[in-house]
Amino acid sequence: RKEVEQDPGPFNVPEGATVAFNCTYSNSASQSFFWYRQDCRKEPKLLMSVYSSGNEDGRFTAQLNRASQYISLLIRDSKLSDSATYLCVVNGLNTGNQFYFGTGTSLTVIP
Amino acid sequence: DGGITQSPKYLFRKEGQNVTLSCEQNLNHDAMYWYRQDPGQGLRLIYYSQIVNDFQKGDIAEGYSVSREKKESFPLTVTSAQKNPTAFYLCASSSLTGEGGTEAFFGQGTRLTVV
Repeated sequence: RKEVEQDPGPFNVPEGATVAFNCTYSNSASQSFFWYRQDCRKEPKLLMSVYSSGNEDGRFTAQLNRASQYISLLIRDSKLSDSATYLCVVNGLNTGNQFYFGTGTSLTVIP
Repeated sequence: DGGITQSPKYLFRKEGQNVTLSCEQNLNHDAMYWYRQDPGQGLRLIYYSQIVNDFQKGDIAEGYSVSREKKESFPLTVTSAQKNPTAFYLCASSSLTGEGGTEAFFGQGTRLTVV
């Protein structure tokens, strides 16, 4: 079983739409959770960290459900510039501080 | 500006040759990582290091070697034993203490092509 599983998509949505990505992780001792954004042929960049209480940054909202080992990312009012691959990432000191990456979910926002 | 720098950005290698990819960080991070990404696929861990002069194999270490002689530097050598080395290589670093956050910071990557 993979450490982190994501729906690869692709998600093709019109501008202004709301889109949600989901991710599950297998190690219940994982301690840190993140969403990264990766543009084509570029390095991944941190979009936001994910906390148990949930957190919001503008149009982006991330949620963590430790009991279900589930992480989500909601993007509201999608922009063309949101088109990218979104990576779910977990990390834990009990795994030698390794980061485990999902395969990514591809999003294309259509005019 | 603090950051993590990989060089070169593009690299071409003949079959049978070893090649070394550079990774330097000035973030004072203890942990450094090398990942490989193939088209349409996720990141796979090659090697990681949490402290100078120590490193551990990741999931796909065969055909690769690393060194960690300085905190700032974690070079990756792709040897001739690596059967399919053409890929996008990403170096990352992170803080183990949590100071400044626990996320991974990435370099811009090196795109290696075997010709």
